[in-house]
Amino acid sequence: AQSVSQHNHHVILSEAASLELGCNYSYGGTVNLFWYVQYPGQHLQLLLKYFSGDPLVKGIKGFEAEFIKSKFSFNLRKPSVQWSDTAEYFCAVNANSGNTPLVFGKGTRLSVIA
Amino acid sequence: GAVVSQHPSWVICKSGTSVKIECRSLDFQATTMFWYRQFPKQSLMLMATSNEGSKATYEQGVEKDKFLINHASLTLSTLTVTSAHPEDSSFYICSATSHRGITGELFFGEGSRLTVL
Repeated sequence: AQSVSQHNHHVILSEAASLELGCNYSYGGTVNLFWYVQYPGQHLQLLLKYFSGDPLVKGIKGFEAEFIKSKFSFNLRKPSVQWSDTAEYFCAVNANSGNTPLVFGKGTRLSVIA
Repeated sequence: GAVVSQHPSWVICKSGTSVKIECRSLDFQATTMFWYRQFPKQSLMLMATSNEGSKATYEQGVEKDKFLINHASLTLSTLTVTSAHPEDSSFYICSATSHRGITGELFFGEGSRLTVL
C-alpha cells in the first residue's frame, strides 16, 4: 500500500518569499503523483500532476513540482508566493496500474502574510 | 477536464435520520468512484471504492452498514449515511475515474458538508 508524508504541518511565509513544500511517498511500484490545493471553505483543486516523462512538472498559478525517483519525493515549489496562496496543500499518490484511489498526505497549511 | 458534481453541497439533519449524497459524473462514464471523508483541518481519508454494478469495497474501520454505497450506473454513485450521529458530521467527497483498466486521473466533486445535530 502507498503512503504519503508531508513533513511540514504549517508554513508561514511573507509575500514574495519562495516556497518549497516537501512530499515523500512510499510504494514499491510505479506511481502517479499529484498536488492539490484547498482554499478555506472550498473544495480540492488540482495544482499539477505527474504521470510520466519530464520529472519537472509545471502547474497552475506558477507552481511546479519535481519528481525525484531516487528520493521518492515530489516537492512543490513556487518562486514567489502571494497572499492569495494561503491555503491547505495536499500531496497525493496512486499506483500507476488500473483504477486505484488516491492516498493523501496529511496536508500542509500555508499562511502568507503581507 | 471531466466534471464531477455532488449534491447536496450542504445538509443538516437530526440525529437518527438518514442522509443520501449523490455523486454524478457529468460528461464521462465513471467506471470507478471513490468516497472520502475529511474531518476539519485533516486530510482526506478513503472510505470505500465502488465499481459500477458491483458491491463497494470498504476500507478498514468503515462500517458498511452505516455508509451504504450504491453505484448503479456509470454516471451516478450514492452514499447514504444511515442513522446519522453527530460524530458523522464531516465533509464527504467523491472522486471518479473514467479509465477502465488504464491509469487515469481522478476527478473530484465539490464535496458535501454534513452536519448532524
